[in-house]
This record gives sequence, structure tokens and C-alpha cells, in this order.
Amino acid sequence: LAKTTQPISMDSYEGQEVNITCSHNNIATNDYITWYQQFPSQGPRFIIQGYKTKVTNEVASLFIPADRKSSTLSLPRVSLSDTAVYYCLVGSYNYGQNFVFGPGTRLSVLP
Amino acid sequence: NAGVTQTPKFRVLKTGQSMTLLCAQDMNHEYMYWYRQDPGMGLRLIHYSVGEGTTAKGEVPDGYNVSRLKKQNFLLGLESAAPSQTSVYFCAAGLAGYEQYFGPGTRLTVT
Repeated sequence: LAKTTQPISMDSYEGQEVNITCSHNNIATNDYITWYQQFPSQGPRFIIQGYKTKVTNEVASLFIPADRKSSTLSLPRVSLSDTAVYYCLVGSYNYGQNFVFGPGTRLSVLP
Repeated sequence: NAGVTQTPKFRVLKTGQSMTLLCAQDMNHEYMYWYRQDPGMGLRLIHYSVGEGTTAKGEVPDGYNVSRLKKQNFLLGLESAAPSQTSVYFCAAGLAGYEQYFGPGTRLTVT
């Protein structure tokens, strides 16, 4: 079970690019890296998932170095509505779905 | 297409009472999950199911039971509620791995 470490909180201003790094030193060969976003009083929402190198979608980019011991979620030009908690998860598609949401990173976007 | 729905949205129980939380999905996903989230914390997996008729324990299963008699429904039961079970409960459904779709949550208070 790969454990992840993220900053507890981050502040940014509207229009800036935000990078949130997650450390997962004991990631296994079959593990994927997944990021979720959670607004207050709502369930988490899937943002992006990757295995290696770089993945980009309409919302974010995910950068994964060759050793895969960390990953960085990049949010381009954030707005006030991006204020939320962001969770990094690491795990595989194996039968055992025993993975953990950590405390996440609380991102505050300021005007 | 409602996605994942949870019933009820709010509930107050007295210590020792029992109740069942219902999760329903209309996406035909095989995997379903029950989590709890305490204030300021990440989500913790209670139980999960990888298909109709199957259930498995997650990180914090004690005090809870689940059933998945139909593919679209996943029930979470509390046989004898305790104040420590005061939390927000989220249900999720997914195809595999970690792309999960979450419901709106049930806020449970046990007095």
C-alpha cells in the first residue's frame, strides 16, 4: 500500500499556475497515480490519472518523472472556483481495493 | 442520468439505534465503495464491492455491514450506532481502479 505525502495547504492568486507535488516513494510497478478535487460539502471529483511521463486533459496536467517517486498536478491559470482540497492517490487495478485518501492539499485561490 | 445518489441526506440517531444508508447508481459500474469523512480529514474506505453479490472490508470496517444484492445498489448498515460514527458518508461507483464517481454524501449525527 503506497503512502503519499502532500503539502497540507497552498495559497495562490487568480490567473497563476499552481503546481501541487505528491511524494510516493514506495510506489509499485503496477500502481497508477490519480488526483481528485473536493469542494466543501461535496464528494470528490476525479481530475486526472497517469502512469508515467505527462498526461494532460481539459482541466489539468500531471507530470510524473522517470522514477515515479513523485508526481505534480498542474492547474493552469487558476480561478476562485478552483479553491478546494486536492487528493493524490496511488494504487493499482488489482482486486484488492484497499487504498487511502490522505488529508489532501487545501488550495486557496485569492483575488 | 443522476449518476450516484444517496439516501438520506441527513440523519440524527441516538446511541444504539440502527439504520441503513442507501446508495444507487445508474452508470452500470461494477465497483462500488463506502467512505466516511470526518471534519478536516481525508476519506477513509469502510467497505467496497467489486460486483453484485460481493463485498470486502476496507480500512475502517468495524461497526458497519454492507450488502450488494443488486448491481445498482450498495447498502451500508449501522447495527448499533455510536457517537464515534458521527461523520459524513460518501458512496462512490467506478469501472475499475480509481476513477470513481461520488454521491453527494449523507451527514450522520449520533447523539
